[in-house]
Amino acid sequence: GAVVSQHPSRVICKSGTSVKIECRSLDFQATTMFWYRQFPKQSLMLMATSNEGSKATYEQGVEKDKFLINHASLTLSTLTVTSAHPEDSSFYICSARDKSGGREFFGPGTRLTVL
Amino acid sequence: GQNIDQPTEMTATEGAIVQINCTYQTSGFNGLFWYQQHAGEAPTFLSYNVLDGLEEKGRFSSFLSRSKGYSYLLLKELQMKDSASYLCAAESGGYQKVTFGTGTKLQVIP
Repeated sequence: GAVVSQHPSRVICKSGTSVKIECRSLDFQATTMFWYRQFPKQSLMLMATSNEGSKATYEQGVEKDKFLINHASLTLSTLTVTSAHPEDSSFYICSARDKSGGREFFGPGTRLTVL
Repeated sequence: GQNIDQPTEMTATEGAIVQINCTYQTSGFNGLFWYQQHAGEAPTFLSYNVLDGLEEKGRFSSFLSRSKGYSYLLLKELQMKDSASYLCAAESGGYQKVTFGTGTKLQVIP
């Protein structure tokens, strides 16, 4: 099946710093990528939908100025958590959908811990 | 809006059969996903139902009734490694947005 990678897999940072998470589709072109956040013992919550070459669509309650998303190419989307705070500590998962509009393929996730 | 309900926890015995139910209310419904998620890992795709009926895939089967807004995941011959959370997710709209349920944590006991 299709492969989606995320980097880094785990990051620990100090409060106030910015963290960038990369999501890559390795063997297919992803016109749409999704960013999810999952807090402990909770389900995945969609943060934003990222379309290549256009601005991301954010879900209600997600601050676009805090969570910057850039979908620069058909194989790469980045999520930057700006001025991270401890409450941003979470498991961030991306997924990608190929050009044919098939199912989503999930990345392995990035565990962010903000001290 | 979107609303997806599934039981929070279930326990079943190794070798047995378990059915995890999911009800959904969503506008512009396209199809229903089931994912398996082990703790600390990303979800793994299990099934995607668009049409009514049962689809079997090895030990796992998934059922959908669009008119009732209902789906279930059936796991047969349970193994200890099946202990995980099972997420029901509804896809809707032209942009194919997926909304996840809270997940059902399944514990398989000897």
